[in-house]
Amino acid sequence: DVKVTQSSRYLVKRTGEKVFLECVQDMDHENMFWYRQDPGLGLRLIYFSYDVKMKEKGDIPEGYSVSREKKERFSLILESASTNQTSMYLCASSFQGQHQPQHFGDGTRLSIL
Amino acid sequence: QKEVEQDPGPLSVPEGAIVSLNCTYSNSAFQYFMWYRQYSRKGPELLMYTYSSGNKEDGRFTAQVDKSSKYISLFIRDSQPSDSATYLCAMSARRGSTLGRLYFGRGTQLTVWP
Repeated sequence: DVKVTQSSRYLVKRTGEKVFLECVQDMDHENMFWYRQDPGLGLRLIYFSYDVKMKEKGDIPEGYSVSREKKERFSLILESASTNQTSMYLCASSFQGQHQPQHFGDGTRLSIL
Repeated sequence: QKEVEQDPGPLSVPEGAIVSLNCTYSNSAFQYFMWYRQYSRKGPELLMYTYSSGNKEDGRFTAQVDKSSKYISLFIRDSQPSDSATYLCAMSARRGSTLGRLYFGRGTQLTVWP
């Protein structure tokens, strides 16, 4: 079974802090994705990566950056956390190809106070 | 207009009912269609996967794609309380979309009561 592991289930941080969310997958997937999920808005793509050191902006990249130094690990960085970044963050991974389904972690519920 | 539209519900049905969940989409390039199930406080898990038009059945679940109407459905027969979850549709294009990106509906929250 594919395993996508997010480092924290719950995280509380303060406004202005730099926040790191980590995601690791064990299936040698080329693609990795970061989403946020908010009530009424569904899943929104923040950033994705199709190879080591490569990244592409999704629909809502403002206020975020990412890092992919190793194939299995994809990090989401909130440069200066703000209260409107309080959300559920979901990481996913997939093999290359347009038709490949994505496999999700169980999410990190992040609260910014 | 969002590329994928899905009625968020909530939908509440008695145990044993047939459930119909639906999505519409605007991009005619979409060829691959998926349904994900998401339990509370968990990540989405892949439930059904279909390519192009037609039906696919897996146990109590049937996925249906009508490309001419740009409409996909998920049917759940003999629904159970354990089916209570949020169901998300997702789709991708064969070409032209970016590197395996999926486009998701907002999800429909389903409750099956005993």
